[in-house]
Amino acid sequence: EVQLVQSGGGLVQPGESLRLSCAVSGFTFRSYWMTWVRQAPGKGLEWVANIKQDGSEQYYVDSVKGRFTISRDNSKNSLLLQMNRLRPEDTAIYYCSRNLRGDYANDLWGQGILVTVSS
Amino acid sequence: EIVMTQSPLSLAVTPGEPASISCRPSQSLLHSNGDNYLEWYLQRPGNSPQLLIYLGSIRVSGVPDRFSGSGSGRDFTLRISRVEAEDVGVYYCMQALQLPFTFGPGTKVDIK
Repeated sequence: EVQLVQSGGGLVQPGESLRLSCAVSGFTFRSYWMTWVRQAPGKGLEWVANIKQDGSEQYYVDSVKGRFTISRDNSKNSLLLQMNRLRPEDTAIYYCSRNLRGDYANDLWGQGILVTVSS
Repeated sequence: EIVMTQSPLSLAVTPGEPASISCRPSQSLLHSNGDNYLEWYLQRPGNSPQLLIYLGSIRVSGVPDRFSGSGSGRDFTLRISRVEAEDVGVYYCMQALQLPFTFGPGTKVDIK
């Protein structure tokens, strides 16, 4: 069965760090670009970052550049998002997703995980 | 950054009737390869988003054929030929031509 199972969310204070994980099964993980998308409470979707199949290229939305790092471990079928210096405006549900074609067309999604940044 | 505009922002439809949603990016999404890098997603209440259409008009496997995407450049439309109760949710367009990829604000579809 194809699955993307997310973990690692929670409540942190501003300035702290958190690492999100996305465990993949049911398809050849190393063959696909992967993406993180987030959704602030009651708001729309925001593309956050993506990473190439071999991890050699990563791209970020400006608001997280220098604070977030997307990475992957193809030996463990795992996608990661390291989030440092978190801000209240980073509060959101974070989704991992698979890119069906190249770096676009997010056809498979994780269940989403809530990150809350608050003092 | 390409700004995506959708209209209407909300829509109430009688079951069996058609519906359409417009998406207008601030820049053309037509690539030199002839493809339009425009995608449509549906997020049902409480669920993760679901990809419906990519490259402007290619329907994802398993998506009912009552959903269709059309358009080019700076003018795109998602059409639902006969709305069903399960189509309720928020529909987003997203451009995948230029980083960072950007979503429209969403169109909320309800049943009358």
